[in-house]
Amino acid sequence: DGGITQSPKYLFRKEGQNVTLSCEQNLNHDAMYWYRQDPGQGLRLIYYSQIVNDFQKGDIAEGYSVSREKKESFPLTVTSAQKNPTAFYLCASRRGHINQPQHFGDGTRLSIL
Amino acid sequence: QKEVEQNSGPLSVPEGAIASLNCTYSDRGSQSFFWYRQYSGKSPELIMFIYSNGDKEDGRFTAQLNKASQYVSLLIRDSQPSDSATYLCAVGYGGSQGNLIFGKGTKLSVKP
Repeated sequence: DGGITQSPKYLFRKEGQNVTLSCEQNLNHDAMYWYRQDPGQGLRLIYYSQIVNDFQKGDIAEGYSVSREKKESFPLTVTSAQKNPTAFYLCASRRGHINQPQHFGDGTRLSIL
Repeated sequence: QKEVEQNSGPLSVPEGAIASLNCTYSDRGSQSFFWYRQYSGKSPELIMFIYSNGDKEDGRFTAQLNKASQYVSLLIRDSQPSDSATYLCAVGYGGSQGNLIFGKGTKLSVKP
């Protein structure tokens, strides 16, 4: 089945550790996005990528990094510089025209140990 | 600062009633408008999208858009307990390369 797969579902980070969240899609979508959601808050954009080997910072990129080496994959690294990483992380993708809707994976819940 | 505003609720309606969810946005250049449903602990799921002024119907859901008033709404007819969730309004702002601004969501509770 076509879809967006995020892994792991739950992740725990130790102090000073970098962790990487996986996002894979087999929808042949060009654009991919990473969002962060905190309790009672809307989604905030971390990074986005319109094409392979290109990505742009969103509103809250500090402490995060991404890569887009393949169309299907858009991993997010939460670095030790991100002092408040506990949140629900959502990956999304979009096909075609910029007005098309984004579709989401199931999310990764990150907590600090 | 581009903003999308929603009443956080909770909005409580009896089963079978019409639920009306509202959203206002600040960017007059916005061209695309989306409603997502998010169950507790789950990821957002697309319910409706609308691009033109007026109404768009899909089953029990109707999206309404008024660009002059910068207002978009979602009506849910014959509300069911399974509709109880948080509804997120998202707006594609002009020149955004497809980026969206999300409201904080309205929590809907449908009572049996």
